[in-house]
Amino acid sequence: EIVMTQSPDSLAVSLGERATLHCKSSRRLLYGSDERNFLAWYQQKSGQPPKLLISWASNRESGVPDRFSGSGSETDFTLTISNLQAEDVAVYFCQQYVTSPMTFGQGTRLDIK
Amino acid sequence: VQLRESGPGLVKPSETLSLTCTVSLGSINSYYWAWIRQPPGKGLQFIGYIHYTGSPNYNPSLKSRLTLSVDRSENYFSLSLSSVTPADTAIYYCARSIRGEDAFDLWSPGTMVIVSS
Repeated sequence: EIVMTQSPDSLAVSLGERATLHCKSSRRLLYGSDERNFLAWYQQKSGQPPKLLISWASNRESGVPDRFSGSGSETDFTLTISNLQAEDVAVYFCQQYVTSPMTFGQGTRLDIK
Repeated sequence: VQLRESGPGLVKPSETLSLTCTVSLGSINSYYWAWIRQPPGKGLQFIGYIHYTGSPNYNPSLKSRLTLSVDRSENYFSLSLSSVTPADTAIYYCARSIRGEDAFDLWSPGTMVIVSS
C-alpha cells in the first residue's frame, strides 16, 4: 500500500502568519490523461470528524476559506494556511486516492504560538 | 444529506462488531459509501467502501474479517467485523465519495467502539 508521510508532526504559528504543512507519498499520485494528482487534505478539529478541505491536490472545496491552498505534484504536496486564524487550530491529514486501499498521513497538529 | 452511525459501543473480544450508517435527507443512490476508523489519538484507517449497487471493496488488512452491505430501500449501509480484538477499538466513521477511490466529502459524527471483556 502507499505510505503517506506528513511533516512536521506538530507546528505552532502566530496568528496572522503562514503555516506550511507537508505530505510525501511513497508513490506518484499524478495519473490520468488530464494529469491530476489524487491527493486530498482534511482538517479535523477536536471531537469532530475530518472535514474535506482540498481535493485533487489544489481544488478547494466549496465554503473553504481562500486562505487555505494546496500545491505540489507527483509525490510531494503542501498545504498552506495564510493569515492563520484561531479557528484553524486542528489536526490536518493528507490522503491518497489513486489506488485502494486509500491511505492517510499520520497528521500534523497545528496550534497557535 | 446527513450520515449517522448506530450500533453497540462495547464489544467483547472474539465477537462481531456490527454498525449501521443511515443516510438521511438524501438518497443512497449514485454514490460510494465508506467506513473509516481512528484509534483514540491516532490517525485514520480506510476500512472499505461499497457502491450503492452492492459491490464492495475491502482493505486487504481487514478483508478476512469484514463484510459490507447496503440496503437501498431503507437508505442505509452496514459494517460487520468479526473476531475483534482490542486493536479494533476506535472511533468508526461512515463517509461518502463520488467515485470508489476518491476523497470523502461527507462524514458522520463518528461512534466510539471499545473492544473489551
